[in-house]
Amino acid sequence: DIQMTQSPSSVSASIGDRVTITCRASQGIGSWLAWYQQKPGKAPRLLIYTASNLQSGVPSRFSGSGSGTDFTLTISGLQPEDFATYYCQQANSFPLTFGGGTKVEIK
Amino acid sequence: QVQLQESGPGLVKPSETLSLTCTVSGGSISNFYWGWIRQPPGKGLEWIGHIYNSGSTNYNPSLQSRVTISVDMSKNQFSLNLNSVTAADTAVYYCARVRNRQFDYWGQGTLVTVSS
Repeated sequence: DIQMTQSPSSVSASIGDRVTITCRASQGIGSWLAWYQQKPGKAPRLLIYTASNLQSGVPSRFSGSGSGTDFTLTISGLQPEDFATYYCQQANSFPLTFGGGTKVEIK
Repeated sequence: QVQLQESGPGLVKPSETLSLTCTVSGGSISNFYWGWIRQPPGKGLEWIGHIYNSGSTNYNPSLQSRVTISVDMSKNQFSLNLNSVTAADTAVYYCARVRNRQFDYWGQGTLVTVSS
């Protein structure tokens, strides 16, 4: 199985900050990576697919980059509604696997 | 706008079978893959498996011996059966649409507790 490791596990940030979350795959996955946002009691929401493509309806302050084993989700100008937990997911091979999550908290 | 809704018992006894159905509205179930993901309370996400409308399936090897996913095109539904459940199967279960092995539409989730 491909292991997905996210860092940090949590981050404290202020409104307007730039936040960067990283995800590392245990082996190369090309660009087959998705990012999700999950708020308490809610289902995950797809933000980024295939590493860098913004899902329809997602604000442009979210961006994704990377390929191979190292990937980044960046939130440029954190908004109040962005406080949530973020997960990466590899879509390269079965079984599909998720990272452990990064919680973005208010500083 | 595609919408998904999970339904099924919220409480299942140990050793019995967990059965959930996902009803898809706002679009046809045809020509897409449809999947199940679960999340134990306070923990991360685990892919269970998914199905194409032809009936072709992929399952997580960690659950493969206990899981069956099926589709009912006439009802625009797909279903999950997980047998021989234990407390470790207690989780919120989500259904989702799958595109290129990524999940673009999700149901709201349903909590299933395994307890006697």
